[in-house]
Amino acid sequence: QVQLQESGPGLVKPSQTLSLTCTVSGDPISSVDYHWSWIRQPPGKGLEWIGYIYFNGSTKYNPSLKSRVSMSVDTSKNQFSLKVNSVTGADTAVYYCATVYVDIVATTNWFDPWGQGILVTVSS
Amino acid sequence: SFELTQPPSVSVSPGQTAIITCSGDKLGDKYVSWYQQKPGQSPLLVVYQDLQRPSRIPDRFSGSNSGNTATLTISETQTADEADYYCQSWDSTTVTFGGGTKLTVL
Repeated sequence: QVQLQESGPGLVKPSQTLSLTCTVSGDPISSVDYHWSWIRQPPGKGLEWIGYIYFNGSTKYNPSLKSRVSMSVDTSKNQFSLKVNSVTGADTAVYYCATVYVDIVATTNWFDPWGQGILVTVSS
Repeated sequence: SFELTQPPSVSVSPGQTAIITCSGDKLGDKYVSWYQQKPGQSPLLVVYQDLQRPSRIPDRFSGSNSGNTATLTISETQTADEADYYCQSWDSTTVTFGGGTKLTVL
């Protein structure tokens, strides 16, 4: 059973870069079966998909965030990471990492399991 | 951009059937997944590919999708089912989540 754990600073100043890491256990991140994703949830609000990455480094991002987001994968550490540039208060959220099953032929994907989430507050 | 619309809240009595809808343009042509989120917890997949259930999810949870509406049905609803429920779909460009429905069991 795959397990995921987010880590990183809980407080980021406006205009700076938010950096988070997700550590995967129970399965190699280089598995051909999965993609790896970040999703966020502002306090009291709904879920917003940020993007996902494959073990070979190929990525797909939410068009609304694409200009400020980058993801990377480190197969030697079984980790993948998220960076969000030029953050504002609107980026304050619980950030989740999750395993993604992607079926490109059927045009479907689903997220399972999810990490426990990490609250990141953007404030000076 | 593709949007998914859910009712903000649904109420049901224990033992009754809860129906949560998710609407989007030609949604029946896409696949839909559903997630349950209890307070302070991360989301949990309850239905994928419209009607498939992970093995850990009881068969009281079922899904369907046709036309412009996908539906999550919870039969014999229990107080433990009280949670926020989110639908999700993908159009090969972006992943979209619905706004969420708060299910109250009382």
